[in-house]
Amino acid sequence: KQEVTQIPAALSVPEGENLVLNCSFTDSAIYNLQWFRQDPGKGLTSLLLIQSSQREQTSGRLNASLDKSSGRSTLYIAASQPGDSATYLCAEAGGGADGLTFGKGTHLIIQP
Amino acid sequence: EAGVTQSPTHLIKTRGQQATLRCSPISGHTSVYWYQQALGLGLQFLLWYDEGEERNRGNFPPRFSGRQFPNYSSELNVNALELEDSALYLCASRWEGNQPQHFGDGTRLSIL
Repeated sequence: KQEVTQIPAALSVPEGENLVLNCSFTDSAIYNLQWFRQDPGKGLTSLLLIQSSQREQTSGRLNASLDKSSGRSTLYIAASQPGDSATYLCAEAGGGADGLTFGKGTHLIIQP
Repeated sequence: EAGVTQSPTHLIKTRGQQATLRCSPISGHTSVYWYQQALGLGLQFLLWYDEGEERNRGNFPPRFSGRQFPNYSSELNVNALELEDSALYLCASRWEGNQPQHFGDGTRLSIL
């Protein structure tokens, strides 16, 4: 059974700081990895998807990296804002068509 | 472009009853996934439908079932409801294997 672990479970930082969220996975045959944000009581918003053949993806202030050899991915958020407060989830797809395996998420609070 | 839509938003049932949850994927997406997000357990993959067929299921009992219609919308049926079935049920759709999954806002199922 594949596992995804996210560290830290919770993080609180002042507005304007750059921060890194970590994700590790056990699946050596990872197909792709996706980062999501979830606001309280809501569904998931897709942020970035990295294919197994890629090293990183960028969207605005967000940058996600993937290191298959170490089984790790990071989500870098630049110049954090209070609107970035949410739970961030990473999920890996093992077979291209399987359901995603999710981590438990990092609950992020950006203090104004 | 309309996103993934789920209905109802909330559903309250009692133990032993049956529940039906519905999902409409993004136009053009043929794959539909169902996930359960129970308190303390994180997001877990339930079922995957593609082109009207069940392609894969997670580690859930047979009383969790569903179907996909010719228009690619989907239903999730949960029979003989138990208290531990209380959760947020999320539906996601995807166009093809290397594309991201996009999620709806979910159906909150409460078992009394």
